Amino acid sequence: KAGVTQTPRYLIKTRGQQVTLSCSPISGHRSVSWYQQTPGQGLQFLFEYFSETQRNKGNFPGRFSGRQFSNSRSEMNVSTLELGDSALYLCASSGNTGSGNTIYFGEGSWLTVV
Amino acid sequence: GIQVEQSPPDLILQEGANSTLRCNFSDSVNNLQWFHQNPWGQLINLFYIPSGTKQNGRLSATTVATERYSLLYISSSQTTDSGVYFCAVEPLQGAQKLVFGQGTRLTINP
Repeated sequence: KAGVTQTPRYLIKTRGQQVTLSCSPISGHRSVSWYQQTPGQGLQFLFEYFSETQRNKGNFPGRFSGRQFSNSRSEMNVSTLELGDSALYLCASSGNTGSGNTIYFGEGSWLTVV
Repeated sequence: GIQVEQSPPDLILQEGANSTLRCNFSDSVNNLQWFHQNPWGQLINLFYIPSGTKQNGRLSATTVATERYSLLYISSSQTTDSGVYFCAVEPLQGAQKLVFGQGTRLTINP
């Protein structure tokens, strides 16, 4: 069974640009959640999608958005990039009952904003 | 919101030693997981353990949900065990899917 797949793995963007990251969950998983990891703030929850609906959202500005498609694949978008958005972005998927399931992470997307 | 605290923040040991990592959380949870972050950034599942005890080879974990803590034991440490270990909880209530501790950085010297 394939794991959680994230693309691209590495990318460099310029301040003010936007970026879209993609995540393909484990087959059969309906929940996809996104996290940002930085040295200063650690791992922080961005948002969760379940069956194409945003179910939870962390404390991030509106520049951070996401969506989920009918096949459970998810994308997150960051607009008007700032230097502080440089981070490892991790996607995770879990099963089909909404909560209390093992959560599996992808390898992450390393974003550098210059 | 729920708070997750891990201790110690750093741990340096010789190969062959045993170690205990602790995770305290401030409220009831649906889920608790332990992860090992590899050098490339991926979070590798170690245990899904909202309560009870589990073992997997040299690693074991215990969660006492009523007292809101979990322990990760690593026996006969190897240099490949080095890295950052995270505890993460799924709150019963609140808007976050997973809340992470700050991690324990484990260094195993040969």
